[in-house]
Order: sequence, then structure tokens, then C-alpha cells
Amino acid sequence: DAGITQSPRYKITETGRQVTLMCHQTWSHSYMFWYRQDLGHGLRLIYYSAAADITDKGEVPDGYVVSRSKTENFPLTLESATRSQTSVYFCATGLAGQNEQYFGPGTRLTVT
Amino acid sequence: AQSVSQHNHHVILSEAASLELGCNYSYGGTVNLFWYVQYPGQHLQLLLKYFSGDPLVKGIKGFEAEFIKSKFSFNLRKPSVQWSDTAEYFCAVNDADDKIIFGKGTRLHILP
Repeated sequence: DAGITQSPRYKITETGRQVTLMCHQTWSHSYMFWYRQDLGHGLRLIYYSAAADITDKGEVPDGYVVSRSKTENFPLTLESATRSQTSVYFCATGLAGQNEQYFGPGTRLTVT
Repeated sequence: AQSVSQHNHHVILSEAASLELGCNYSYGGTVNLFWYVQYPGQHLQLLLKYFSGDPLVKGIKGFEAEFIKSKFSFNLRKPSVQWSDTAEYFCAVNDADDKIIFGKGTRLHILP
């Protein structure tokens, strides 16, 4: 049982390019979340989804797009990557929004 | 909106010392409270959680936390730390919406 997988684990891209980070879960949890982790800022919520086809903005959504056509997948797209989006991105799932969350292994993204 | 404060950004202790990490939140309603741990190079894992009942919560690896409603606090404690406790610790609290808010984290470094 893989739980939560994220791909790629490491990515280097150039400014202005589009890049998509994938998140897949095998638990059928209703909620899925995307966070970015930066030194001095902790974890900041980018977008979250309560169910398939339902998404909401978090604290720092600008420059990101999400979709959730299937319960198990929650891709995060940077439409035109900027250096400020260099970060570690974590996907998480949960049975409910206010319950504990289960985190994926993370994707380290570098924008040059 | 909910806010979470972790006042200690970086803590250095010797092995066998006692640990207390502070966490304060602002939301005055019913709260769900969490402590997560992130070991170097890994993803976040749940240490313990409080939803209701006994305000003294015991978690994994000898950690415990006490919910003090009057102080809006949920401090993490461990009577005797080990070198393997070196990690970053995050407090989290539910928001009024269906998500949780993380503090900025406390980096704990245990000297052998």
C-alpha cells in the first residue's frame, strides 16, 4: 500500500516554464492539500480540495493551478514558474478538513 | 482567521534534558490541535493530537502535550530527549473553515 506518492521527487526548471507536480493517494481520503515549505515560513497552504471537482484557495495560491477530476489525484501546476516558487512541495490527504493529515514524501523544486 | 505561534524557532538541548516547546493559537472556538514532527529529509508525521476529553495527550516516542484552554496553548513536552529527537516540530490548529493552520516550526537540535 503506497499511501501517498508524489512525482517527481526532484525537479529543476527554468523561469517561465510550466511544470506540474503530481500527487496520488491510494486511501480514498476525501481531502487533499498542497503545501509549500520554506525556511522561516513553515508550511503554507496553496490549495486544497474537499472532494473531486471541488477546490479552494489556501494562503498562497497565486501562480498555481490545481484540478481534481479523480479522488485519488491532485496535480499542482505552476503555469509560468518563477524563482520565488523554488521550494519543497508537500501533498497531504485527510478524511476531513480539520482532522489529521497524512503527508507525502515531498517534491523539491528549483526554478533557475 | 486562525493564527498559530511557535515562539521558539530554534532550540538546542543536551541528551536527557527536558523539553517544552510552546504553541499558542488565536481561534476561540472548538479546536482540534496537533503536533507534527519532521525528521531531517523526511515528510511530516503526526506526533499527537487533541480533539476533546483529557487535556493531557500522550503521543508517540514519549511525547505529550497539554491543552490549556484559558491560555490558548498546546505545549509539547518530553521529560528526557534523545539525539534521535533532532527534528523540526510543527504545531497545528484547525481554522474556522475546513482546514488546519500550521505554525512556522521549531527546529530542535539535540547534542549527543
